Amino acid sequence: NAGVTQTPKFQVLKTGQSMTLQCAQDMNHNSMYWYRQDPGMGLRLIYYSASEGTTDKGEVPNGYNVSRLNKREFSLRLESAAPSQTSVYFCASRRGPLTDTQYFGPGTRLTVL
Amino acid sequence: SQQGEEDPQALSIQEGENATMNCSYKTSINNLQWYRQNSGRGLVHLILIRSNEREKHSGRLRVTLDTSKKSSSLLITASRAADTASYFCATAPPVNYGGSQGNLIFGKGTKLSVKP
Repeated sequence: NAGVTQTPKFQVLKTGQSMTLQCAQDMNHNSMYWYRQDPGMGLRLIYYSASEGTTDKGEVPNGYNVSRLNKREFSLRLESAAPSQTSVYFCASRRGPLTDTQYFGPGTRLTVL
Repeated sequence: SQQGEEDPQALSIQEGENATMNCSYKTSINNLQWYRQNSGRGLVHLILIRSNEREKHSGRLRVTLDTSKKSSSLLITASRAADTASYFCATAPPVNYGGSQGNLIFGKGTKLSVKP
């Protein structure tokens, strides 16, 4: 039981390049989330998926897209990376939108040059 | 927008001392949660307190909630070097508040350093 896994762990991109961050959970959770964490800013919600087949914007969705591929997997895509997207990205899941504890992945450290 | 605000931003204590961190928030909540983040790692859930509870314990952790003041505190007793981490409060707004579907709102965290 691996919990929430994320790939890759580290990535360096050039401005304008695209990439997809992968996230998977094996806890049969319905809800999944993507956050970014910047120094002194806490965690900010980018996109979320309350249940399989639905996705919604969070606080900072600009420049990102998401896909809820199936119940287990929720990917985050940067179509044209910008230096402002340099951050640590965390995926999280929980049983449902009204349930309590969130489980976090280990994070992806992304640098955009 | 950030709802929870932790205070202090950083705290340095000696092993064996108690550590107290505070969190203030702005709107009504269903519950308030505390998470811990070790350097370079993801967040780990520590404890949850519901809006109708005033105090909760879990091992060396004690959480209080004052909904009239919209504030919470996390006390770690007899701290250890291994408690060195950042601690975040997260508030769960009521369902359908601002269309949030109950999404957690995290504060900016308190960085705790426990010196051996």
